[in-house]
Amino acid sequence: SQQGEEDPQALSIQEGENATMNCSYKTSINNLQWYRQNSGRGLVHLILIRSNEREKHSGRLRVTLDTSKKSSSLLITASRAADTASYFCATRQGATNKLIFGTGTLLAVQP
Amino acid sequence: DTAVSQTPKYLVTQMGNDKSIKCEQNLGHDTMYWYKQDSKKFLKIMFSYNNKELIINETVPNRFSPKSPDKAHLNLHINSLELGDSAVYFCASSRTGSYETQYFGPGTRLLVL
Repeated sequence: SQQGEEDPQALSIQEGENATMNCSYKTSINNLQWYRQNSGRGLVHLILIRSNEREKHSGRLRVTLDTSKKSSSLLITASRAADTASYFCATRQGATNKLIFGTGTLLAVQP
Repeated sequence: DTAVSQTPKYLVTQMGNDKSIKCEQNLGHDTMYWYKQDSKKFLKIMFSYNNKELIINETVPNRFSPKSPDKAHLNLHINSLELGDSAVYFCASSRTGSYETQYFGPGTRLLVL
């Protein structure tokens, strides 16, 4: 299967703490994206990092990419209860429009 | 001003029936997608259309037939529904390009009894 894997599968933290999620993938990529899915909703794009980038920031989000290890991490700083959701990484290979999604991390932020 | 909309939101039907799910986007995108999310939350692409032309067709039973009457619409018709078709189906759209992000609809929850 081409599907990427994320760990942990589930993460529970207290408000104000940082949350780190990891994503590993199998083939070379053009870019890697992170999406959030609130319960019962569609996915929302968070951030995109290109294969020639190593780190990217957006507000409280920090994404790193290590193409030699075929892995990425998403750090959410100073978490809030509203950050409770499932987080998915998705990779795009070559020039295709196809996104391959990871297995997701369920984040629960306790108030 | 919903960006990507799907109807219906919920669909409960009997095995063997035929059903359709509709998707519309008002973002002016020229690429649209159908994804299936199973009970374990695995999300897999099924189809993609660019300017009404099929460009991605994953290994999906031919009971599933997408139809794109225009760039803003991509419908999914499913014949002879099976229990294993129960899932959440998401429509998405994007502009064409490797660095474009996708915008997802709210999903259609299909339950086959």
